[in-house]
Amino acid sequence: GAGVSQSPSNKVTEKGKDVELRCDPISGHTALYWYRQRLGQGLEFLIYFQGNSAPDKSGLPSDRFSAERTGESVSTLTIQRTQQEDSAVYLCASSRAGGENSPLHFGNGTRLTVT
Amino acid sequence: GDSVTQMEGPVTLSEEAFLTINCTYTATGYPSLFWYVQYPGEGLQLLLKATKADDKGSNKGFEATYRKETTSFHLEKGSVQVSDSAVYFCALSEGRVTGGGNKLTFGTGTQLKVEL
Repeated sequence: GAGVSQSPSNKVTEKGKDVELRCDPISGHTALYWYRQRLGQGLEFLIYFQGNSAPDKSGLPSDRFSAERTGESVSTLTIQRTQQEDSAVYLCASSRAGGENSPLHFGNGTRLTVT
Repeated sequence: GDSVTQMEGPVTLSEEAFLTINCTYTATGYPSLFWYVQYPGEGLQLLLKATKADDKGSNKGFEATYRKETTSFHLEKGSVQVSDSAVYFCALSEGRVTGGGNKLTFGTGTQLKVEL
């Protein structure tokens, strides 16, 4: 497709379960970012990939959160032992390069609800 | 750390009204500033940007001027249309960070509703 694709679009899970969120970036985009947006708050940076390495993981809130990326393609964000405070919209973005002059292209997000 | 504050919404206007959405920032260096827009059912997309003081970003009739003295980047449009109804996010870039990423700090977003 032409844009960043995220799946699932909605996910409801029980507290304590693990979830995997998927992001397909725009083809050829080497940089990939994960953000989350909790209700009433701004977007929080989680992690940045350049290719398949993650030089900046500073936003991951706890060791329950991890992410990986295969080459310059799909990325998965995994949340283990989900908690209610993990409920949020998780957004993925990609850009052609990593510099500040490369605009980010966002997906529609995955809305995660932990019950 | 860096932060962005923007006015709370929703902002409701009649078509052809003048729009201002306020945005102020706190940053240690000289960030680049952005406005992103999210139309219903779509992902965030870049609306405009400014990379240094006194720069004016513009796109689709929207404008914002980088004011270093007031640390502001207010979004304006002279005559809004129903199709401008969306959520608008102000953001700043910390510049080159670890690994060369373009890590953005976002405001909370302001919902704009334009009515006929």
